[in-house]
Amino acid sequence: LAKTTQPISMDSYEGQEVNITCSHNNIATNDYITWYQQFPSQGPRFIIQGYKTKVTNEVASLFIPADRKSSTLSLPRVSLSDTAVYYCLPKKDTGRRALTFGSGTRLQVQP
Amino acid sequence: GAVVSQHPSRVICKSGTSVKIECRSLDFQATTMFWYRQFPKQSLMLMATSNEGSKATYEQGVEKDKFLINHASLTLSTLTVTSAHPEDSSFYICSARDFRQQETQYFGPGTRLLVL
Repeated sequence: LAKTTQPISMDSYEGQEVNITCSHNNIATNDYITWYQQFPSQGPRFIIQGYKTKVTNEVASLFIPADRKSSTLSLPRVSLSDTAVYYCLPKKDTGRRALTFGSGTRLQVQP
Repeated sequence: GAVVSQHPSRVICKSGTSVKIECRSLDFQATTMFWYRQFPKQSLMLMATSNEGSKATYEQGVEKDKFLINHASLTLSTLTVTSAHPEDSSFYICSARDFRQQETQYFGPGTRLLVL
């Protein structure tokens, strides 16, 4: 599986847009990029998934350039409740393999 | 998204006792479920893959006789921590893939185990 690298931590203020970039230089052709959010003492929550270009849902946007060696999770107008750890994960499109978690990015949103 | 539940949400037990944790997929069938463990301030570590109707596949370093996994139906997997010790205290999280949604992996809320 492709190794991912994310910033260990980020700080932001309420109302700002937050962009978390993840690099995955060795991503395989059939890997999707998936992002999860985890609050303390809770299981990870699926946020968004993409393969190429841009994907947007009600929570976030995901930008993946043509070479797919990185991806950027964009959280518009964050609030205090967005304080969490965010994980970037490559995921096979088929098969039964489990997700492998890296260290993630700890986002702290200040008032 | 799909819903995965765990029971209990937290458990405290004495050293030497066994603890069973249940993981259920509530609105979909899961032929495969996964068990993770997470220590404070650390990431999730995969312990084992639970396969319905067959033996679980354990990750390197995880003792299969200590962490018994049973996947008796398409919606239920159980993890039993046998002869628990204080070092087994951790946050245990299960997950399952929903084949209806591009095999997105959904996670349970986790079970906090404290062994005294």
